[in-house]
Amino acid sequence: AQSVSQHNHHVILSEAASLELGCNYSYGGTVNLFWYVQYPGQHLQLLLKYFSGDPLVKGIKGFEAEFIKSKFSFNLRKPSVQWSDTAEYFCAVIVYNQGGKLIFGQGTELSVKP
Amino acid sequence: KAGVTQTPRYLIKTRGQQVTLSCSPISGHRSVSWYQQTPGQGLQFLFEYFSETQRNKGNFPGRFSGRQFSNSRSEMNVSTLELGDSALYLCASTISGSGSTDTQYFGPGTRLTVL
Repeated sequence: AQSVSQHNHHVILSEAASLELGCNYSYGGTVNLFWYVQYPGQHLQLLLKYFSGDPLVKGIKGFEAEFIKSKFSFNLRKPSVQWSDTAEYFCAVIVYNQGGKLIFGQGTELSVKP
Repeated sequence: KAGVTQTPRYLIKTRGQQVTLSCSPISGHRSVSWYQQTPGQGLQFLFEYFSETQRNKGNFPGRFSGRQFSNSRSEMNVSTLELGDSALYLCASTISGSGSTDTQYFGPGTRLTVL
């Protein structure tokens, strides 16, 4: 069965620090990849997505992610975090042509200290 | 354009009861998916509906069921509630039925507490 693994359960950073959240998936075929964010008390929002093309994708609020097919990875990065980035981040995959079943990782809680 | 709406937002039930949750997708969206979010299991897929047909189903017992109406609104039902069903139930909608190439837009969820 397909699965998604996020390496860090809880990350604590100071403002202006750089962020990298790891995400690996297990599936040998074509997948579409997503990062969602859940701010405290708010609903899940899409940060960015990768379907095809340039493996470096840019999303909202200065986030970017790089798809490395050989490593089955889709890591999320931001050069300089802000206190407002405090949230839970979810990596998710959909197996291509198998409908809309999103498979989520366990989530990474990011706390940014002002 | 209004987002995905879910009602009710909070619900308290007792073991053995049944519950129905409702989801209204973004206007024009035709596909609805449901997910369960718990601290222990994270976000897990329940089912997906498109054009009133269930297209995908997750690994949940038959107590969990759903349906979609002709206006794309969807309901999910949980019968014979168990304590472990306490969770945030999320609904997501997509504009078309292409499934894997759509972006899913999530609602705020219904917080179900089973006592």
